[in-house]
Amino acid sequence: NAGVTQTPKFQVLKTGQSMTLQCAQDMNHEYMSWYRQDPGMGLRLIHYSVGAGITDQGEVPNGYNVSRSTTEDFPLRLLSAAPSQTSVYFCASSYSSADRSTEAFFGQGTRLTVV
Amino acid sequence: AQSVTQLDSQVPVFEEAPVELRCNYSSSVSVYLFWYVQYPNQGLQLLLKYLSGSTLVESINGFEAEFNKSQTSFHLRKPSVHISDTAEYFCAVSDGDSSYKLIFGSGTRLLVRP
Repeated sequence: NAGVTQTPKFQVLKTGQSMTLQCAQDMNHEYMSWYRQDPGMGLRLIHYSVGAGITDQGEVPNGYNVSRSTTEDFPLRLLSAAPSQTSVYFCASSYSSADRSTEAFFGQGTRLTVV
Repeated sequence: AQSVTQLDSQVPVFEEAPVELRCNYSSSVSVYLFWYVQYPNQGLQLLLKYLSGSTLVESINGFEAEFNKSQTSFHLRKPSVHISDTAEYFCAVSDGDSSYKLIFGSGTRLLVRP
């Protein structure tokens, strides 16, 4: 099993450009989330999905769009990149089970720089 | 809304010394608690978790954490650290069965010196 796979690992964008960060998981998890990590701030939730076709906003959703057409994929779109979106982005997946074990599995991250 | 506080941004310690990384969370009726570790240029890996039952939870590499409901704390401890424990440690909390919505602390960088 590959787990959670994020592409690309590194990206440099110019202000105003758009791009999509890819996230795929092969664990058949219902839940997927996107976080951004900034120095001294830990990880903050951008968007999440509790199943195919269902998405919702997290703490810092502005400037980002998501969709969930399949269980496996959860891409994050930057519509018009801004320097404030320079960050490390992590995708995570998790599941709900009878014993309510709620561990989240993380990808390796995408380091994005907006110049 | 839930919040998580990690008071120490960096903890330097000598190899084989004990260490405690502090984590406090805001009160909630039902809460699950996690410690994640992030090695340089890598993603987050689960270190240990508290869901219910025994308040003392252990990891396979010698770390342990104790859930203290009255003090709303979930401090991470290790009696003897190794150089390889150098990493950033994040405490996280979720409300009930909302693993897609973790609230993270700001992280503590553990720096183990020889």
